[in-house]
Amino acid sequence: AQKITQTQPGMFVQEKEAVTLDCTYDTSDQSYGLFWYKQPSSGEMIFLIYQGSYDEQNATEGRYSLNFQKARKSANLVISASQLGDSAMYFCAMSSHNAGNMLTFGGGTRLMVKP
Amino acid sequence: DAGVIQSPRHEVTEMGQEVTLRCKPISGHNSLFWYRQTMMRGLELLIYFNNNVPIDDSGMPEDRFSAKMPNASFSTLKIQPSEPRDSAVYFCASRLASGSYNEQFFGPGTRLTVL
Repeated sequence: AQKITQTQPGMFVQEKEAVTLDCTYDTSDQSYGLFWYKQPSSGEMIFLIYQGSYDEQNATEGRYSLNFQKARKSANLVISASQLGDSAMYFCAMSSHNAGNMLTFGGGTRLMVKP
Repeated sequence: DAGVIQSPRHEVTEMGQEVTLRCKPISGHNSLFWYRQTMMRGLELLIYFNNNVPIDDSGMPEDRFSAKMPNASFSTLKIQPSEPRDSAVYFCASRLASGSYNEQFFGPGTRLTVL
């Protein structure tokens, strides 16, 4: 079974600063994918970034980067130069072929960016 | 592309009534997922389809829930009879199943309130 744990229910960050959102996972699969989604107050789920378990380099997408530490089973999201529009819920999720490519989500972290 | 389309966006109904939620996946995507999001349980996968065939419905809470995908461009999730505890946001997502872990694209969700 797969499990995703996000230990930070809520976080504050000052505008223009960087912030790290924690995510740890548990799986017995060797091949899997890790994802981060953003859910603003409007409710939609927005895909941010993806990391494959065999990818040697950390994924980056603009201001988003994924700090992947396979041995520690962590996949933290780093947002650089925070903006007010980054205030939202952030969900970490994983998928694997053995799990039918279904997404298993963590409980989410609410990020609030202070002006 | 218009993205994943869901209708209705909001539904308010009375306990005991039948509710039908609709989803049009992104054209060309061959996997479709139904999720439910509540404050108490977070994001839960209800059922998913590959090439219109239901693969895993273990997340469907009860026999009151049923889902169909009659063709590649349309899926329904039906609740009959509905109960107040079914109140939630229901998301449909689609992806292009391939050898890699392609991200799932989510629709805007249907906010269901059962009185």
